[in-house]
Amino acid sequence: GAVVSQHPSWVICKSGTSVKIECRSLDFQATTMFWYRQFPKQSLMLMATSNEGSKATYEQGVEKDKFLINHASLTLSTLTVTSAHPEDSSFYICSARAGTDNQPQHFGDGTRLSIL
Amino acid sequence: AQKVTQAQTEISVVEKEDVTLDCVYETRDTTYYLFWYKQPPSGELVFLIRRNSFDEQNEISGRYSWNFQKSTSSFNFTITASQVVDSAVYFCALSEAGYAGGTSYGKLTFGQGTILTVHP
Repeated sequence: GAVVSQHPSWVICKSGTSVKIECRSLDFQATTMFWYRQFPKQSLMLMATSNEGSKATYEQGVEKDKFLINHASLTLSTLTVTSAHPEDSSFYICSARAGTDNQPQHFGDGTRLSIL
Repeated sequence: AQKVTQAQTEISVVEKEDVTLDCVYETRDTTYYLFWYKQPPSGELVFLIRRNSFDEQNEISGRYSWNFQKSTSSFNFTITASQVVDSAVYFCALSEAGYAGGTSYGKLTFGQGTILTVHP
């Protein structure tokens, strides 16, 4: 149980392109979804927290206009990297959590984004 | 502010050796959760364990064991008789307790990770 699907798993695109990454909870309703970024050989850094039907809460230093997050349903959240540039190349991982108390986060398999 | 420190950047062992990964945390919360995750080269995060701040019992799961000591704010992870398949990056993480109506929502703070390489 508790499967989170992230798509696509790998994206290579040109600078200036906008890229959308989907995160779906397949067998549970995700009240809250989290988006993380991981640079090579570094830790996961939380970018934003989103609750279904609400605006995402961004961490300090994360540009909300650059990284658009939508959590329109209890099973789907999307992260759109707008006008991506090479410095946005990274490994993006989403996680999903059910309920409002502290249930474990279930992680997707991640998306490797490479901007040329 | 929460902080998780994994002082060991890289550990290299030979198969069948025991290995302990250290994790020290800082938090002002009295209720919190501690986690260990494994990240193999393929990138996905594999959940290993969650422990709440009120449960200091050590836990064993097969070759894995965890030692939680509140007095030293540590949550160490030991792999007994390591195997090549254990090679991965291991992350310790801390989550504040989420609560309805607030903004904490159980955010995870990760340590820097420990790269474990097990040689045949």
